[in-house]
Amino acid sequence: QVQLVQSGAEVKKPGASVKVSCKASGYQFITYHINWVRQAPGQGLEWVGWINPNGGDTGYGQKFQGRVTMTTDVSISTAYMEMTSLTSEDTAVYYCVRGRYYDPWGQGTLVTVSS
Amino acid sequence: DIQMTQSPSSLSASVGDRVTITCRASQDIRNELAWYQQKPGRAPNRLIYAASSLLSGVPSRFSGSGSGTEFTLTISSLQPEDFATYFCLQHNTYPTTFGQGTRLDNK
Repeated sequence: QVQLVQSGAEVKKPGASVKVSCKASGYQFITYHINWVRQAPGQGLEWVGWINPNGGDTGYGQKFQGRVTMTTDVSISTAYMEMTSLTSEDTAVYYCVRGRYYDPWGQGTLVTVSS
Repeated sequence: DIQMTQSPSSLSASVGDRVTITCRASQDIRNELAWYQQKPGRAPNRLIYAASSLLSGVPSRFSGSGSGTEFTLTISSLQPEDFATYFCLQHNTYPTTFGQGTRLDNK
């Protein structure tokens, strides 16, 4: 079955960077975009950006421009999201989600930013 | 950006009740809207796509309707496993935007 499996929880200090991975299985990786979405504790969902594994085109949310980089390694069907200059406001669960129709979702990766 | 206004933000109901949740889009999104259920500590689970199409395996007590700017999710007869948070998502235009969620709890 189609599945996205993300890397484990991270704890980072303010100003640090984090890189979250998302391994896809059950479908041909290059045929669907990967979106990244985050959910801060007790808050709603926020779109971070997308990447097209077929060529590497990306699109980032305006508030994340210059601070987020999305990449893929098609040889291992894995997408990555790296975010730099972390602050406490970046504490959230980060999800990777397949395709334009947002299904399925990875299990989520909790990123905690704390001094 | 397209704003998605979801209401109510919370709802108390009992098993067997009929429940309706609404999402309004700030501009026409055709039928490019999905509804999700999310339980604590879990990833969202898609229930409805294209505003009104039920995913395979989702109970028929769930239904969606609407197009353009106004959309509804209805649960015809609440079951114990339905107490969760529900949200809408529009994928007509990037950035993808989300309703703020409706927390449905047991009265």
